[in-house]
Amino acid sequence: NAGVTQTPKFRILKIGQSMTLQCAQDMNHNYMYWYRQDPGMGLKLIYYSVGAGITDKGEVPNGYNVSRSTTEDFPLRLELAAPSQTSVYFCASSHDGYNSPLHFGNGTRLTVT
Amino acid sequence: GDSVTQMEGPVTLSEEAFLTINCTYTATGYPSLFWYVQYPGEGLQLLLKATKADDKGSNKGFEATYRKETTSFHLEKGSVQVSDSAVYFCALKEGAQKLVFGQGTRLTINP
Repeated sequence: NAGVTQTPKFRILKIGQSMTLQCAQDMNHNYMYWYRQDPGMGLKLIYYSVGAGITDKGEVPNGYNVSRSTTEDFPLRLELAAPSQTSVYFCASSHDGYNSPLHFGNGTRLTVT
Repeated sequence: GDSVTQMEGPVTLSEEAFLTINCTYTATGYPSLFWYVQYPGEGLQLLLKATKADDKGSNKGFEATYRKETTSFHLEKGSVQVSDSAVYFCALKEGAQKLVFGQGTRLTINP
């Protein structure tokens, strides 16, 4: 069981570069999420999706974009990387939006210099 | 808005010690409450949950009781092991709203 797979594991970007963080799940979950984790700050929701073709903003969406063309994939795009986007990014999925637990990927550690 | 407050870390204990990690919450309605655990280099995993007042969630020797009167969901374990070293997150969810996490508590268990 692969669960939620994130790539890459690590990445260093220069200011102004762009990149896409990949996320795929094989559990046929409708709900998918992107979080960022900053030291001592817990997790903040960036974007989420309740199904293919539907996305919505979370708490901290500025500087990011997402798309959900299939149930399995939910890529996160950074268009103009800034040092404030240095963080660990986690993708997660859940069966429904109520009490189903979230299943997390192992994260992508991004450094912007 | 909804919020979760956890005890400040880091917490360092000896093996076989008793563990309590405090968690209190603020919510407008009747949320479900969760504890997630993050082992080094990994994503978060659900540890236990409780969906209504007085429910007790339990897993791997950990327990937490949903206390509505004190708006708390403290995590406890009677005898910790080195393998319990991780970061623990308390979280709440109201209906279709998004999961709200506390800031996390880093736990280190020394042999």
